[in-house]
Amino acid sequence: AQSVTQLGSHVSVSEGALVLLRCNYSSSVPPYLFWYVQYPNQGLQLLLKYTTGATLVKGINGFEAEFKKSETSFHLTKPSAHMSDAAEYFCAVTPTGNQFYFGTGTSLTVIP
Amino acid sequence: KAGVTQTPRYLIKTRGQQVTLSCSPISGHRSVSWYQQTPGQGLQFLFEYFSETQRNKGNFPGRFSGRQFSNSRSEMNVSTLELGDSALYLCASSLVIGGSYEQYFGPGTRLTVT
Repeated sequence: AQSVTQLGSHVSVSEGALVLLRCNYSSSVPPYLFWYVQYPNQGLQLLLKYTTGATLVKGINGFEAEFKKSETSFHLTKPSAHMSDAAEYFCAVTPTGNQFYFGTGTSLTVIP
Repeated sequence: KAGVTQTPRYLIKTRGQQVTLSCSPISGHRSVSWYQQTPGQGLQFLFEYFSETQRNKGNFPGRFSGRQFSNSRSEMNVSTLELGDSALYLCASSLVIGGSYEQYFGPGTRLTVT
C-alpha cells in the first residue's frame, strides 16, 4: 500500500530562514516522488520530482529535496525563505504513474 | 503549450441536482485524473482515465462518475448532490511515457452545494 505523511500541517519561518517541509512515504515498490505547491484559488504546480538517479533533486524557485530510501523520506528544503513562498505544499507518491497518493499538505507562512 | 483547462471555474448547485465538470488536458496527454480537495480531507483521488478507459478508481460512491473522449477531454458527473460534495475539483493530465509521470493540474472547479 502507498501512503504519504506530511509532518506539520502548518509551518512558519522568518523571511530569509531555512525552509524544511517533511514528507515520509510508504510504498511497496520503488516510488516516484513529487512536491507540488498550491497558491490560493489555484491548482497545483509541480516543484520537483524524483524518479531515478540522483537522490538530490533540484526544482523551481530554489527548492530542492533529497530522496532517502533508508528513511523513506523526501523532505523539501529551501535555504532562504521569501515572502512569495507562502503557500500550501503537497508531497505525492506514485508507484506506477497511474495513481497518485497525496499527503494532507503543509501550509507555509513566511514572517517578514 | 496550453495548460490544463477546466470549466466552469465556479458552480453553485442545490442539493439533489446533478453537475458535470469538464477538463481539457495538455495536448498529447492521454491520462486524465480527477481529485476532490476539501479543507478537512486534502486531495482525494476520484478516478483516472487513459485512452477512454477508466484504469483506477478511488473510494467514492457511485454518484461520482466520469468519462473520457477520444480527444482525451474528460468529464466528471456528480448526481444527487449532497452538501458534503462542496469542494474544489481538480483535474490533472500526464504524458505517462518515457518515465515522465508528473501530473499537471488545472485551476480547478469550485463547486458549492446549497
